[in-house]
Amino acid sequence: EIVLTQSPGTLSLSPGERATLSCRASLSVTSRYLAWYQQRPGQTPRLLIYGASSRATGIPDRFSGSGSGTDFTLTISRLEPEDFAVYYCQHYDSLPPTFGQGTKVEIK
Amino acid sequence: QVQLLESGPGLVRPSETLSLSCTVSGESIRSNYWSWIRQSAGKGLEWIGRIYSSGNTNFNPSLKSRVSMSIDMSKNQFFLNLTSVTAADTAVYYCAKDSPDSMWFLTWFDPWGQGTLVTVSS
Repeated sequence: EIVLTQSPGTLSLSPGERATLSCRASLSVTSRYLAWYQQRPGQTPRLLIYGASSRATGIPDRFSGSGSGTDFTLTISRLEPEDFAVYYCQHYDSLPPTFGQGTKVEIK
Repeated sequence: QVQLLESGPGLVRPSETLSLSCTVSGESIRSNYWSWIRQSAGKGLEWIGRIYSSGNTNFNPSLKSRVSMSIDMSKNQFFLNLTSVTAADTAVYYCAKDSPDSMWFLTWFDPWGQGTLVTVSS
């Protein structure tokens, strides 16, 4: 099973700042089969990125994904108030698909 | 657009079977995979397994011995059974649609249901 490790655990930033979230895989993820989700408090996870860098429908272009192999990054170029949430990465390279433990982006 | 809604008991006794249903609206469940995912404070997000409209299934090896899934095309529903539950199975359980757009046999999940909290306690 591929283990995904996200860092940092918590990111304290101000609105308007840039957020850089990391997701590291224990084995290489084939063909960038990696997705990112956002989960606001009390809400269900929402797909942001698939294929490591493709934005899902309706996702603002301040969200971008990059990376390959074992190292992936989610970048939020300028934080809006609604972006303060928990973010999860998920691979779909092999069974079982697994999730990272999450990075919480909180208001500084 | 497609919407998913989980339903089932919120409390299950230890050693009993957890049974949930997911009702899909907005599209047919035909010709697609549908997954169950759970979220707990202890283990975070964990994929439980998936079922295809034909009844074909894949399960997480960590739960495989206790999990079964089924599907009812006439009601546009699919179901989860988890046997011999313990407190470690306490979680919010989500059903989700496996995206049909992946070029791979696995995929991402979009959308998710609202989730239902299941507590295992006597």
